[in-house]
Amino acid sequence: KAGVTQTPRYLIKTRGQQVTLSCSPISGHRSVSWYQQTPGQGLQFLFEYFSETQRNKGNFPGRFSGRQFSNSRSEMNVSTLELGDSALYLCASSLAQTENTEAFFGQGTRLTVV
Amino acid sequence: AQSVAQPEDQVNVAEGNPLTVKCTYSVSGNPYLFWYVQYPNRGLQFLLKYITGDNLVKGSYGFEAEFNKSQTSFHLKKPSALVSDSALYFCAVRVFGNAGNMLTFGGGTRLMVKP
Repeated sequence: KAGVTQTPRYLIKTRGQQVTLSCSPISGHRSVSWYQQTPGQGLQFLFEYFSETQRNKGNFPGRFSGRQFSNSRSEMNVSTLELGDSALYLCASSLAQTENTEAFFGQGTRLTVV
Repeated sequence: AQSVAQPEDQVNVAEGNPLTVKCTYSVSGNPYLFWYVQYPNRGLQFLLKYITGDNLVKGSYGFEAEFNKSQTSFHLKKPSALVSDSALYFCAVRVFGNAGNMLTFGGGTRLMVKP
């Protein structure tokens, strides 16, 4: 069974540009969450989607947005990139939207903003 | 608000010795607790979870964790460490009744197992 797939693995962008990251969850999983990982802030929750609806959102500016498609694939977009947006962006998928369900993570997209 | 603390940035242990990676949590409801491991340039891999029931939870790769409600702790343990266990370990919590799959993570503990 294929795991969570994130593309691309690495990105280099310039300040002010925008970027779109993609996540394909495990087959059958309907919940997709996004996290930002940085050395200074650790792992921080961005948002979660279930059945194409955003169910939770973390404390990030509006430049960070996302969506989920009918096949459960998800994308996140960051507009007007800042140097501080450089991070590893992790996507996680879960079978259901229940509290006791573990999340399975992709390998991440390493975004570098220069 | 829920929070997770991993008091040690790094834990050093010799191969073959037992290891413990500490985690304490603060929540206002009943917690669901998770441990994940991250190898360099990789995502997080699920190790184990505590939902309810037996306080000793067994997980992948010989790891186990002990839930202690009175001490609000969920320490990760392994009887005999391997060099290949060297990685970054994260404890996470989700609270019952908090709709959705948002996990709150601790800051991570780097485990170094020396041969």
